[in-house]
Amino acid sequence: KNQVEQSPQSLIILEGKNCTLQCNYTVSPFSNLRWYKQDTGRGPVSLTIMTFSENTKSNGRYTATLDADTKQSSLHITASQLSDSASYICVVGSDNFNKFYFGSGTKLNVKP
Amino acid sequence: GAVVSQHPSRVICKSGTSVKIECRSLDFQATTMFWYRQFPKKSLMLMATSNEGSKATYEQGVEKDKFLINHASLTLSTLTVTSAHPEDSSFYICSARLAGVDTQYFGPGTRLTVL
Repeated sequence: KNQVEQSPQSLIILEGKNCTLQCNYTVSPFSNLRWYKQDTGRGPVSLTIMTFSENTKSNGRYTATLDADTKQSSLHITASQLSDSASYICVVGSDNFNKFYFGSGTKLNVKP
Repeated sequence: GAVVSQHPSRVICKSGTSVKIECRSLDFQATTMFWYRQFPKKSLMLMATSNEGSKATYEQGVEKDKFLINHASLTLSTLTVTSAHPEDSSFYICSARLAGVDTQYFGPGTRLTVL
């Protein structure tokens, strides 16, 4: 069964600290994995995308890693800011075109 | 690039009326558009997939006659919530897939409140 699981469900950190969000998937065939940031009441915005051959991708303070062998991905946020407070969603695209599998998201709350 | 817009951003309507939500790809041609709904503190739930010029494919449990989807051009898809009820109140988000690219770009969402 094609599934995407994210952990933790929610996370509270202090401003300036780092954090890592996890995404495990069982999607096959695999095409790509995207991390999105969704602010409350807004649509998701893409942070990174990785294909099978890519191990890491950075976008400013966001760094995503992918281990295609273990089917795990992580999103590392460095020096967190208050504006990082949002839900982070992991989405895995399948080679079965138009099939995307969503994780349930991690709710991050950055406190001053 | 790859910007998707939605209109309106918010709509409040009376129970029993119909509401149309537009989704546009502003700077690219989208062969496929997706419609999602999202309840508070929940993840996105795919409602239907629409391909330009053909009928939409609905997910299990989504009523075709209640949620009418039209994808008449490569840059526009519409979702019409017919005879809306308070339980249809939700956040509706569309996304568009760029032709030949296996990824999707999301619109900003539409908050529907049915009184």
